[in-house]
Amino acid sequence: EADIYQTPRYLVIGTGKKITLECSQTMGHDKMYWYQQDPGMELHLIHYSYGVNSTEKGDLSSESTVSRIRTEHFPLTLESARPSHTSQYLCASSSQVSAGNTIYFGEGSWLTVV
Amino acid sequence: AQSVTQLGSHVSVSEGALVLLRCNYSSSVPPYLFWYVQYPNQGLQLLLKYTSAATLVKGINGFEAEFKKSETSFHLTKPSAHMSDAAEYFCAVSDYGSSNTGKLIFGQGTTLQVKP
Repeated sequence: EADIYQTPRYLVIGTGKKITLECSQTMGHDKMYWYQQDPGMELHLIHYSYGVNSTEKGDLSSESTVSRIRTEHFPLTLESARPSHTSQYLCASSSQVSAGNTIYFGEGSWLTVV
Repeated sequence: AQSVTQLGSHVSVSEGALVLLRCNYSSSVPPYLFWYVQYPNQGLQLLLKYTSAATLVKGINGFEAEFKKSETSFHLTKPSAHMSDAAEYFCAVSDYGSSNTGKLIFGQGTTLQVKP
């Protein structure tokens, strides 16, 4: 069982609002990731981090930003939400120990922008 | 660059029947391959993974997958479907061998429906 937590699980907000999706893991993993998943579609990587103070853009361009000030915490922020940001956001983490590391996922945050 | 193709966006089987979900990969380096399951309104749970050890990999809930290099495939099977197996299944390849980020490249997903 993975110890990675996301809050909120469900969020409905108005256009133009600033939101932060929280992600925390208690496994001491160095690598953390944010994936975006539209309903019925595959997952796309939007951000990742190798460790504290390390953040990189993923394969899918996103207007969101991330930070990694602490190992266990990797929040995602949208400064001004728009309906096109409506999606599921999945946080994940893995260790640096070996190749083929398992990536553990949180339960996801469903964001709806109206 | 790595990529994954899942053949069939929807698969429907009867309870007790064989489950076969197809996955083909493309990789310029020896791949690390994964199958994840996603139940409604939940995150992804690892079913099994291939990391260049045994080619037949056994996972949780009675699932297994066989790595076939000659066919560039990693199909997921289960001998007898249960109603509780109804979910979305994702095949993924890790880019660990090429860029060392460890990120996963996912297939489009296959929805498994189990009929009583």
